[in-house]
Amino acid sequence: KAGVTQTPRYLIKTRGQQVTLSCSPISGHRSVSWYQQTPGQGLQFLFEYFSETQRNKGNFPGRFSGRQFSNSRSEMNVSTLELGDSALYLCASSLGPSEGYTFGSGTRLTVV
Amino acid sequence: GIQVEQSPPDLILQEGANSTLRCNFSDSVNNLQWFHQNPWGQLINLFYIPSGTKQNGRLSATTVATERYSLLYISSSQTTDSGVYFCAVEQRGNTPLVFGKGTRLSVIA
Repeated sequence: KAGVTQTPRYLIKTRGQQVTLSCSPISGHRSVSWYQQTPGQGLQFLFEYFSETQRNKGNFPGRFSGRQFSNSRSEMNVSTLELGDSALYLCASSLGPSEGYTFGSGTRLTVV
Repeated sequence: GIQVEQSPPDLILQEGANSTLRCNFSDSVNNLQWFHQNPWGQLINLFYIPSGTKQNGRLSATTVATERYSLLYISSSQTTDSGVYFCAVEQRGNTPLVFGKGTRLSVIA
C-alpha cells in the first residue's frame, strides 16, 4: 500500500513569505503529526490532528498552523517566514494512539 | 516531560562488525519505536517495541520497560546501515512521540 506522501520535496522561499506543505497519510490512518528537524534542535513536535481536530500542539509560535481535511490529508502553513524556519519538515501518520507511526520523506524548506 | 537519551552519539564501525545502540527513557511509555534516517532524510520505521524482543534480519531490538531502556542490535553491519538511528517514545495515548538526539552510525568498507 502507498506510504505517507509529502509534497513538495524541496522548497526555497524568501523571508517574509508564507508556505504551505501537504501530507497525505496511509489509507485508513486518521492521525497525522508534523515534526520539524533542524541540526541544532533535533526533531521537535509541531502538532497532531485526528479526525480533523487538533489534538496536540508543540511549543511553536502562532506563525505555524495546520489543518486536516475529511479525507485525513493534512496541510501545515508557516506565515512570515524567518531564516530559522529552514528545516526538514516531517509528517507521520498512525491508525491511532499507541499504534506506531510511519513517516513520509519530508519537505526540505530553505528560507533565504 | 519525558526525557530520552541515546548512546553513543557517534559510532564508526568496520563493515561486518556488530553494534549495540542504547535508549534510556525517564518515565513509563506506551509506545517505543526505533527509526533509521537515511541520507535523504526519511525516517524508516525499524521496530515498534514498547516491550519484549523483536528481530528482523540482521537487526533486533529489546525493550525492558520496567528498567526504562531499549537496545538496538545491528549484526554484520553493512555500509548501507550508515545513517542516524533514533529512538522515540510515546508516554501514553494521545501524546506525541518524543525523540532522542540519535546515534550517528558510519560503517566503512
